[in-house]
Amino acid sequence: DAEITQSPRHKITETGRQVTLACHQTWNHNNMFWYRQDLGHGLRLIHYSYGVQDTNKGEVSDGYSVSRSNTEDLPLTLESAASSQTSVYFCASSEGASGNIGELFFGEGSRLTVL
Amino acid sequence: GDSVTQMEGPVTLSEEAFLTINCTYTATGYPSLFWYVQYPGEGLQLLLKATKADDKGSNKGFEATYRKETTSFHLEKGSVQVSDSAVYFCALSRMVYGQNFVFGPGTRLSVLP
Repeated sequence: DAEITQSPRHKITETGRQVTLACHQTWNHNNMFWYRQDLGHGLRLIHYSYGVQDTNKGEVSDGYSVSRSNTEDLPLTLESAASSQTSVYFCASSEGASGNIGELFFGEGSRLTVL
Repeated sequence: GDSVTQMEGPVTLSEEAFLTINCTYTATGYPSLFWYVQYPGEGLQLLLKATKADDKGSNKGFEATYRKETTSFHLEKGSVQVSDSAVYFCALSRMVYGQNFVFGPGTRLSVLP
């Protein structure tokens, strides 16, 4: 079955370190998204991509970057981790071409703790 | 901009009780509406959706009707089970390039035996 997987599922790091969270989907979806989930804030969009070589900033993109070199992967990088980036991160994908965004499919999440 | 408002809870019910979680939205045009569910330790998964006014989405005993006149998409279930304990998110999408999903804050439901 097609799926979307995230790794690592849990990570503890120190302030100032670079961290990369991986996201891999096997649906061949054009669209991929990164969200963070925090108590009191729900889901907030960090970055998204509508296809290879396309990346866009979401509402909370500061301190994060993504790259899309192929259809399957959208890694999320924290250039210099801060305690405010302690959160649960979700990757999602959707099919959709010609400008239409379909239903979102989510990974199981990556819990990041920055000490 | 687009927004989704839903009761934040937590909501605590006894098994077999009736459930309503209110959701209202603000959006231009004609968005599609969704309910996602998140079980403990898992990602979100689609529960049901409706793509146009008066459509009713249904799945696993849950229902929601797209009411354009009241800009609402309330989630209901006639008899909840302990296994329904989860966080429920209302969301909208205008399904247009450049317009992403907008999620509500989520409502935590606990069902007691």
